[in-house]
Amino acid sequence: GENVEQHPSTLSVQEGDSAVIKCTYSDSASNYFPWYKQELGKRPQLIIDIRSNVGEKKDQRIAVTLNKTAKHFSLHITETQPEDSAVYFCAAIKNTPLVFGKGTRLSVIA
Amino acid sequence: GAGVSQSPSNKVTEKGKDVELRCDPISGHTALYWYRQSLGQGLEFLIYFQGNSAPDKSGLPSDRFSAERTGGSVSTLTIQRTQQEDSAVYLCASSLAGEGETQYFGPGTRLLVL
Repeated sequence: GENVEQHPSTLSVQEGDSAVIKCTYSDSASNYFPWYKQELGKRPQLIIDIRSNVGEKKDQRIAVTLNKTAKHFSLHITETQPEDSAVYFCAAIKNTPLVFGKGTRLSVIA
Repeated sequence: GAGVSQSPSNKVTEKGKDVELRCDPISGHTALYWYRQSLGQGLEFLIYFQGNSAPDKSGLPSDRFSAERTGGSVSTLTIQRTQQEDSAVYLCASSLAGEGETQYFGPGTRLLVL
């Protein structure tokens, strides 16, 4: 079955800097890659997703890139703000259920 | 519209007792998922319901765990003879269909087994 690896497990950046979180997946047939943000004590919420027919997708300060050949995808957050501090989870799917990475705890230091 | 709701929000029980956790998915969503999240950990898949198909139970950790979904809507996750290692947040999610659809999470039930 699918296996998703996520790095780094923790990430600290200065406010205004960029943050990059990377995930690799094992099943080349996976075709949907969402990213979820989970603030402390809250539910995971979808922030951006990408499908395998697209190489990059942007939404304001957030972007996701997908390299199908290498089987990895990345989340990019630019101009980070303190409210970006949270745990971020990547996931990959061909057939449900989603397989999640173990999460990255992002801390944005003001 | 209303999102995914779960009840109770918190549950404290004694070791050996049975517990039932409830999930109300978004209206019209045919797919429903249960996950478990231990403190500071990732999301562990438990079980998946899609329409009238047989559920995917491949993630259930033991036969003490079971779930049902009545009428294609509300789901109940039951943990029998609870153990301390069952303490976690149990998250429910639903999606419009199955494969490749965005999953929307409920607020979770925080279970503490003493």
